[in-house]
Amino acid sequence: GQNIDQPTEMTATEGAIVQINCTYQTSGFNGLFWYQQHAGEAPTFLSYNVLDGLEEKGRFSSFLSRSKGYSYLLLKELQMKDSASYLCAGANSGNTPLVFGKGTRLSVIA
Amino acid sequence: EAGVAQSPRYKIIEKRQSVAFWCNPISGHATLYWYQQILGQGPKLLIQFQNNGVVDDSQLPKDRFSAERLKGVDSTLKIQPAKLEDSAVYLCASSLRGTRELFFGEGSRLTVL
Repeated sequence: GQNIDQPTEMTATEGAIVQINCTYQTSGFNGLFWYQQHAGEAPTFLSYNVLDGLEEKGRFSSFLSRSKGYSYLLLKELQMKDSASYLCAGANSGNTPLVFGKGTRLSVIA
Repeated sequence: EAGVAQSPRYKIIEKRQSVAFWCNPISGHATLYWYQQILGQGPKLLIQFQNNGVVDDSQLPKDRFSAERLKGVDSTLKIQPAKLEDSAVYLCASSLRGTRELFFGEGSRLTVL
C-alpha cells in the first residue's frame, strides 16, 4: 500500500504561522488533498494540489512537490478555532478512493 | 444544498451483537464511500460504490461487514457480529462522478462493549 506520514501532534501560538508536513511514496499519488477535522466532527475540504507549487487560499496555503513526495499545509495568523486535526490524503489515478494519513492534531494556544 | 446525512449518530452495543448504519449522500453524487475512523487515526476506506455497483471493497472485513446501495442513492453498512475493535466512527462520504473532493457526513460513532 501507499504510506502517508504526518507528525502526530503540533502546538503553535495564536497569531503565529505553522507548517504541517506530509510525505508519501512517490510512485503512488497524482494529487494531494488536505482536510480539516474538528474533534467530533466530519472532515471538511481545505485544498487540493495536483500540480507542483503553492496554492494560496486566504490564511491557508498548500504546497506540493511530486518528485519529492512532499506536501505541506501552511496556516497563517493562527486563531484558536484552527485547533483541529489536519488530514493529508493522496489521490491515485482513475476513480480510486483517497488514502488518508493519520492526521496531525494542532493545538493553538494563547 | 443538503449535506450527507447519516444515522444514528451514536450507537452502543455489546460484542457479538449486530448494528446497521444508514447514509444518504448529496443529491446527484454518484460515488459513495464508507470510511472507518478509529480514535486518533485517519479515515480508512471500507467500501466505495459507483451508483449501485461496488468499485472497491478490498479492505472490507467481509466475514462480518456488509454494505449495499441497492438503488444507487442511500446506503446501509452492517456489522454482524461486532467485535471490540470495531469501536470507531463510521464516516460516509460522497462525490460527484469524475471529481475527487469528498463531502463527509457527521459520522456514526460506534462503541462496542
